[in-house]
Amino acid sequence: DAKTTQPNSMESNEEEPVHLPCNHSTISGTDYIHWYRQLPSQGPEYVIHGLTSNVNNRMASLAIAEDRKSSTLILHRATLRDAAVYYCILRDTNAGKSTFGDGTTLTVKP
Amino acid sequence: NAGVMQNPRHLVRRRGQEARLRCSPMKGHSHVYWYRQLPEEGLKFMVYLQKENIIDESGMPKERFSAEFPKEGPSILRIQQVVRGDSAAYFCASSSFELSSYNEQFFGPGTRLTVL
Repeated sequence: DAKTTQPNSMESNEEEPVHLPCNHSTISGTDYIHWYRQLPSQGPEYVIHGLTSNVNNRMASLAIAEDRKSSTLILHRATLRDAAVYYCILRDTNAGKSTFGDGTTLTVKP
Repeated sequence: NAGVMQNPRHLVRRRGQEARLRCSPMKGHSHVYWYRQLPEEGLKFMVYLQKENIIDESGMPKERFSAEFPKEGPSILRIQQVVRGDSAAYFCASSSFELSSYNEQFFGPGTRLTVL
């Protein structure tokens, strides 16, 4: 499985934008980029996914580099409820499983 | 539409006992995945099942662990003769499509197993 690399932790102030980076230099042409987040004592929650083009949904935006070797999850206005561990995952076309890394722990300060 | 359900939410077992963890996928979903999360770590894939079939069990320990997803009823993850190292949160996820890289997996709340 292709590997992803994320910073261990990041901090943000409430109401400010947050950019969470992810490196995936060994991504293959058919890997989709998924982001999940996990709040304390809960299961992971889907955030967003993409292949090549930037993506927007009600939760966040996903910016994908032109060479696809990195991506950035953008939370436009962080709230206290966004404090969680964010996982960047690559999913191979033929693989049902997701390979989770250690993720980024986001702390949001009031 | 109820989400993925797991029970029990918390399970305490003594060393050597058996643990049975149940997962009911979302309505209409026929694909189930089990993951294990040790304290302070990310999720590790264990097994992927469709109804009555194991598709990928590459992440499951060869001994003491087994999983099934019968035609009727929930998926079961069974751990025999538990040891302290089995203490972890076990998450189940389900999806509705066949193998697909853009397929969203919906996760349950997890079962937290504590082995005394």
